[in-house]
Amino acid sequence: SQQGEEDPQALSIQEGENATMNCSYKTSINNLQWYRQNSGRGLVHLILIRSNEREKHSGRLRVTLDTSKKSSSLLITASRAADTASYFCATDATGAQKLVFGQGTRLTINP
Amino acid sequence: DTEVTQTPKHLVMGMTNKKSLKCEQHMGHRAMYWYKQKAKKPPELMFVYSYEKLSINESVPSRFSPECPNSSLLNLHLHALQPEDSALYLCASSAPGRGLEQYFGPGTRLTVT
Repeated sequence: SQQGEEDPQALSIQEGENATMNCSYKTSINNLQWYRQNSGRGLVHLILIRSNEREKHSGRLRVTLDTSKKSSSLLITASRAADTASYFCATDATGAQKLVFGQGTRLTINP
Repeated sequence: DTEVTQTPKHLVMGMTNKKSLKCEQHMGHRAMYWYKQKAKKPPELMFVYSYEKLSINESVPSRFSPECPNSSLLNLHLHALQPEDSALYLCASSAPGRGLEQYFGPGTRLTVT
């Protein structure tokens, strides 16, 4: 399968704590993206990191990319109840002209 | 307008019915996508339209028939579906040169009885 692996599959933390989720992939990529999905809804694009970038920030989100290890991590700082959702990484593989999604991490923030 | 709209929100159909899902965007995006998503799974790509031409068909059964009447509209025609086709169907669009960054609609929840 071309799909990436994400871990953990599920993560439950207290509000205010930081959440870290990881994504591994198999092919060379143009970029890697993270999306959030609230239960039964559409996906929302969070952040895109290009293959020549190592770290990117957007508000409370921090994404890292290690192309030598074919892995990425998403850090959400100071979590809020509204961050409860599923998070998917997606890779834009070189030459593929499509996104391939990882299996996702279900994040629960407990108040 | 940064929204992708999908209708209907919910659809229940029998295995002999014919129905259509509709997707619309007015962001000027020239690529549009259909995905199928089962519970607790990632979206699976079905079709990609680029500049109104079908560019990718991920070996989807012919009971699913996509159509792109113009650059803002994408339809998915459904016929003789099976219960295992019950899923959330998501439409997305993307702009050229934006690294396939996709905007998703809210989805159509399809139940086949």
